[in-house]
Amino acid sequence: EVQLVQSGGGLVKPGGSLRLSCEASGFTFSSYSMIWVRQSPGKGLEWVSSISSSGKYIYYADSVKGRFTISKDNTKNSLFLQMNSLRAEDTALYFCARRPSGDWPFDCWGQGTLVTVSS
Amino acid sequence: EVVMTQSPTTLSVSPGERATLSCRASQSVSFHLAWYQQKPGQAPSLLIYGASNRATGIPARFSGSGSGTEFSLTISSLQSEDFAVYYCQQYYKWPPYTFGQGTKLEIK
Repeated sequence: EVQLVQSGGGLVKPGGSLRLSCEASGFTFSSYSMIWVRQSPGKGLEWVSSISSSGKYIYYADSVKGRFTISKDNTKNSLFLQMNSLRAEDTALYFCARRPSGDWPFDCWGQGTLVTVSS
Repeated sequence: EVVMTQSPTTLSVSPGERATLSCRASQSVSFHLAWYQQKPGQAPSLLIYGASNRATGIPARFSGSGSGTEFSLTISSLQSEDFAVYYCQQYYKWPPYTFGQGTKLEIK
């Protein structure tokens, strides 16, 4: 069974840091690009960051560029999001998702992990 | 950035009836349009890709159509489990990937 299991959310003060993890199973992790998407409370979906299957190509939303770092460990079937200089507006439910190679959308999602930035 | 606009924001339909949701792109995204369903407390799940192709395991009552800038998702006979929020997403011109703001399908 294809699964993405997330961990690492929590409450952090403005300016603080947090690292999210997403552990994959049931598929060849090294063959897939991976994505982070977030959803602010009661709001819609916002793409945050993408990383190619090998980790060579990385992209960020303007809203997180310079503060967030995406990484992928194909030996441990894991995806990470290092979030620094957190702001109140980063408060959201964060989802990891899988994107097959080629022109494909996000076909499998993690369960989500809540990040709350508040003093 | 491609802006995706969904309508209506909320759609009230009775079980067994047909529902049609719309999605418009600010510029052409060809056929690179996906629909997701999100139920309360759950992650989104892929329904439709390539504008009209059902994802694995999606019932035939779900159908997508359109190309370029105008798209629609039709649910032919609503079941109780279909009441949820639906998002469209373009994956043609990225980054960034962009989503519509969502349509909430509620029971009438």
